[in-house]
Amino acid sequence: DQQVKQNSPSLSVQEGRISILNCDYTNSMFDYFLWYKKYPAEGPTFLISISSIKDKNEDGRFTVFLNKSAKHLSLHIVPSQPGDSAVYFCAAGSNNDMRFGAGTRLTVKP
Amino acid sequence: EAGVAQSPRYKIIEKRQSVAFWCNPISGHATLYWYQQILGQGPKLLIQFQNNGVVDDSQLPKDRFSAERLKGVDSTLKIQPAKLEDSAVYLCASSLGTGTASYNEQFFGPGTRLTVL
Repeated sequence: DQQVKQNSPSLSVQEGRISILNCDYTNSMFDYFLWYKKYPAEGPTFLISISSIKDKNEDGRFTVFLNKSAKHLSLHIVPSQPGDSAVYFCAAGSNNDMRFGAGTRLTVKP
Repeated sequence: EAGVAQSPRYKIIEKRQSVAFWCNPISGHATLYWYQQILGQGPKLLIQFQNNGVVDDSQLPKDRFSAERLKGVDSTLKIQPAKLEDSAVYLCASSLGTGTASYNEQFFGPGTRLTVL
């Protein structure tokens, strides 16, 4: 069952522009949401999170937006840098039940 | 600080054979996770330990998969017998605590890539 979906397998943007990665979930019980970044041959690394009591969380160039009514979250990267090129996974869940999306491969072109 | 260590990094076996993976978490991390990541999919949690007790193993195929963390430190995941659909990357992760807040501080190892022929 795909409770967390990332419908875009890949995204390509120009350096300096905004990258927007999207994620949808189906379970209304989910109350915690995260984004992970993954480089080849490495495990995922935590990037940013948001709880259901907030609709926005910002950390430097990274901002996560949560729309609970639409069951949708997004990650904005501004400005995008070539080093941001990686696979980005969103995850959603509650307590000890965390589900991951399939990932979006972001390529930032110099 | 040393990260999460996993071995082997790669393993190729034939179906119906057995295989074991090893994970050494970050020192002091009480919670240890095993994930299965099939190509083109996100990681799926197989089992979560807190110290040497199982917190969640609801998605572990217990007829063929087993895991242990006997002394609350390192852990092994075993598949016996392996099937073709077990081909995946097996990720180990650890965190200080448990629950939603612990996912912020979850550190992943590099994974073991298993190919079942």
